[in-house]
Amino acid sequence: AQSVAQPEDQVNVAEGNPLTVKCTYSVSGNPYLFWYVQYPNRGLQFLLKYITGDNLVKGSYGFEAEFNKSQTSFHLKKPSALVSDSALYFCAVIQNRDDKIIFGKGTRLHILP
Amino acid sequence: DTEVTQTPKHLVMGMTNKKSLKCEQHMGHRAMYWYKQKAKKPPELMFVYSYEKLSINESVPSRFSPECPNSSLLNLHLHALQPEDSALYLCASSQVRRGAVSEQYFGPGTRLTVT
Repeated sequence: AQSVAQPEDQVNVAEGNPLTVKCTYSVSGNPYLFWYVQYPNRGLQFLLKYITGDNLVKGSYGFEAEFNKSQTSFHLKKPSALVSDSALYFCAVIQNRDDKIIFGKGTRLHILP
Repeated sequence: DTEVTQTPKHLVMGMTNKKSLKCEQHMGHRAMYWYKQKAKKPPELMFVYSYEKLSINESVPSRFSPECPNSSLLNLHLHALQPEDSALYLCASSQVRRGAVSEQYFGPGTRLTVT
């Protein structure tokens, strides 16, 4: 069965520093991977996705993620954090094109001014 | 227009009430979804509609009844809910493309409180 893990409940980063939010996945075939962000009292916003091709995926708001097949990871990164990046981040995976999306438990990112 | 709208934003209902949540998108997406989200938890899939037909029902209790009147609208009819059904209900939509996987676009949600 497909699954996705976000090992950190919360990540604290000082403003201006690089940030990483971790995600690992488990699927039996090729994964389709997503990152979403949720601000308080809002729906989820799509940030980026990996389907095939280049392992480094660039997304919205300066975020990027690196697909690593050998480590089954898809960590979210940003070179310089902003206070406005503080939010709840969800990693998600789809195993087959018609399967439902499976979300990780979420990681709360807190950027310290 | 990349917006999914949901009404109402907030809803308080008693356990004997009947109410409906509404969702609308004008992006031409032919897949629409209902999710339930508890505080600080990931969204849980409830229903999926593809081309206005129900394709996935995640064993949701019958007190939740989805409806897709046309390709732009999705409703969730509520009846005889329990207090534990209080949550944020999210609607989402996505393209349906053969051989491709599309991201989902989410609405802002309806905050439901059952008293």
